[in-house]
Amino acid sequence: SAVISQKPSRDICQRGTSLTIQCQVDSQVTMMFWYRQQPGQSLTLIATANQGSEATYESGFVIDKFPISRPNLTFSTLTVSNMSPEDSSIYLCSVEVAPSDGPYEQYFGPGTRLTVT
Amino acid sequence: GQNIDQPTEMTATEGAIVQINCTYQTSGFNGLFWYQQHAGEAPTFLSYNVLDGLEEKGRFSSFLSRSKGYSYLLLKELQMKDSASYLCAVRDSNYQLIWGAGTKLIIKP
Repeated sequence: SAVISQKPSRDICQRGTSLTIQCQVDSQVTMMFWYRQQPGQSLTLIATANQGSEATYESGFVIDKFPISRPNLTFSTLTVSNMSPEDSSIYLCSVEVAPSDGPYEQYFGPGTRLTVT
Repeated sequence: GQNIDQPTEMTATEGAIVQINCTYQTSGFNGLFWYQQHAGEAPTFLSYNVLDGLEEKGRFSSFLSRSKGYSYLLLKELQMKDSASYLCAVRDSNYQLIWGAGTKLIIKP
């Protein structure tokens, strides 16, 4: 299993500013994922962050808007840049862990609830 | 395109049984997952199916039919704490997880 913490847990930000969300895992993992979840909707993958290489972004998400850092195997940050009210959402950090006796399981951090005014 | 369909909301009575269906159309298939998500919390892993049939885990069971692109999550002896959203997710041929929108389950006394 993996225990994931995120900071901040919530924030209210003004339009045009930027917020950096931190994700810390209690074990070393190769791949970390950043998701967005808007109320009542499914999880949307923003990007996959591998240590030592540039993040891979999904369609509709770009590095200038959502820069990601992955300095080591237990930590990552996601920045939401030049925010607008449409960026109001819950942002979730996630990792995959492969137990010895089963499939890859995905673990999630508690999420960061962002409101942009 | 890739698509996962689940009912938006279901209501059931404490102590009863409920079945949450999930149908999927994805490019390839490498397993189907069910997650539980309580309001304001992160999703937590419930079950995994990669072969056809039923997987039982306590009060929860999950069924898969790959030929029909269909799965269900069966919850027995419902408890109030089972009120949550239940997310179906499929891993496609690129090993990406494709998520359904989730089914909000409301349990009434």
